[in-house]
Amino acid sequence: GAGVSQSPSNKVTEKGKDVELRCDPISGHTALYWYRQSLGQGLEFLIYFQGNSAPDKSGLPSDRFSAERTGGSVSTLTIQRTQQEDSAVYLCASSLSGIQGMYEQYFGPGTRLTVT
Amino acid sequence: DAKTTQPTSMDCAEGRAANLPCNHSTISGNEYVYWYRQIHSQGPQYIIHGLKNNETNEMASLIITEDRKSSTLILPHATLRDTAVYYCIVKAAGNKLTFGGGTRVLVKP
Repeated sequence: GAGVSQSPSNKVTEKGKDVELRCDPISGHTALYWYRQSLGQGLEFLIYFQGNSAPDKSGLPSDRFSAERTGGSVSTLTIQRTQQEDSAVYLCASSLSGIQGMYEQYFGPGTRLTVT
Repeated sequence: DAKTTQPTSMDCAEGRAANLPCNHSTISGNEYVYWYRQIHSQGPQYIIHGLKNNETNEMASLIITEDRKSSTLILPHATLRDTAVYYCIVKAAGNKLTFGGGTRVLVKP
């Protein structure tokens, strides 16, 4: 079946502009995660959605970052007033359930964000 | 979540088995061992996970020591497409994946 998809694959924006990144999880997966990965670095957790529960936003680096998940499926990560340090690959992952924490996460290809 | 230690890099000959070690001496009883890999310019890919028993799937085998303080990921017949960074993660039910440096595996012809 279809995997996790993300759009756009690449985004170049000017400093100070807002950007929206989209994630379509695997159908039937109730848990959705956003991460980012700077060049040559490991994975940094941003936010986690599980079903209808309140999202875990503990990884968001500032209030310029927000995310929503509509209808328990598609998610949008919004970065307002982008800064150069926001440049990174933004990765979305989904899993069957986050409750037990035992299910593997399936990642999308990522969106490469470059802030100039 | 427990910390893991992996070698920075390793080379492997194509067609041979690749054995990737991971130390996790502070692992607790409810933590699983997960392995992911990341091929250049792609998103991470799940490989396998286990609690205390050895596990095998179509991609790899996972051998966990009896005391659970270390594990080995085995790629039985490495191919050039297995060149990637391999991450060993120990994680409980907190759900957050945190990748450390991983092991950069280069499969050579």
